[in-house]
Amino acid sequence: RKEVEQDPGPFNVPEGATVAFNCTYSNSASQSFFWYRQDCRKEPKLLMSVYSSGNEDGRFTAQLNRASQYISLLIRDSKLSDSATYLCAVNLGDYKLSFGAGTTVTVRA
Amino acid sequence: SAVISQKPSRDICQRGTSLTIQCQVDSQVTMMFWYRQQPGQSLTLIATANQGSEATYESGFVIDKFPISRPNLTFSTLTVSNMSPEDSSIYLCSVEITDYERSDQETQYFGPGTRLLVL
Repeated sequence: RKEVEQDPGPFNVPEGATVAFNCTYSNSASQSFFWYRQDCRKEPKLLMSVYSSGNEDGRFTAQLNRASQYISLLIRDSKLSDSATYLCAVNLGDYKLSFGAGTTVTVRA
Repeated sequence: SAVISQKPSRDICQRGTSLTIQCQVDSQVTMMFWYRQQPGQSLTLIATANQGSEATYESGFVIDKFPISRPNLTFSTLTVSNMSPEDSSIYLCSVEITDYERSDQETQYFGPGTRLLVL
């Protein structure tokens, strides 16, 4: 089983829609979780850290479910500029991050 | 966050040659990492660049193929040695920083990457 798994998508949604997707992790001892956004041919950029049960930043909400070992990302009122690949990252300890393969979101006009 | 630069931004190389990639950060950081992202795939950690000691390599990566230097707290290099077409990839450095705006969370930030094509 992979350490971090994501639904690859693509999620193709109209502007203004809500889109949500999950990321599951295998190491129950993991303590830190992150969502990164990666645009085509660019480096990953930190979108949100996920700690405690989750957090919210504007239109983006991340939630952590430790019992089921997954984190989720929800995007409300989608904008065209939200089109990207969203990478889930899990801290395995020793400062290392393990990344999922990414979920592709395309927002259409 | 931090300002991270990488050189070169891209290169096309012949098989059998070596390429050294530089990573510079605008502040002193303890932890620096090197990742590889092959086409259509996610990031794979190559090694942790330790200042003053040898790098710590992940399973499947060895020092002879990917020698790393870390002469100080703001700079690191990764060399891709004896390249083959399978080494064509994006190579990214990252740094770990304590993010005081995010409850003192340790957070990794990435450089812009080096796109390598081996012919």
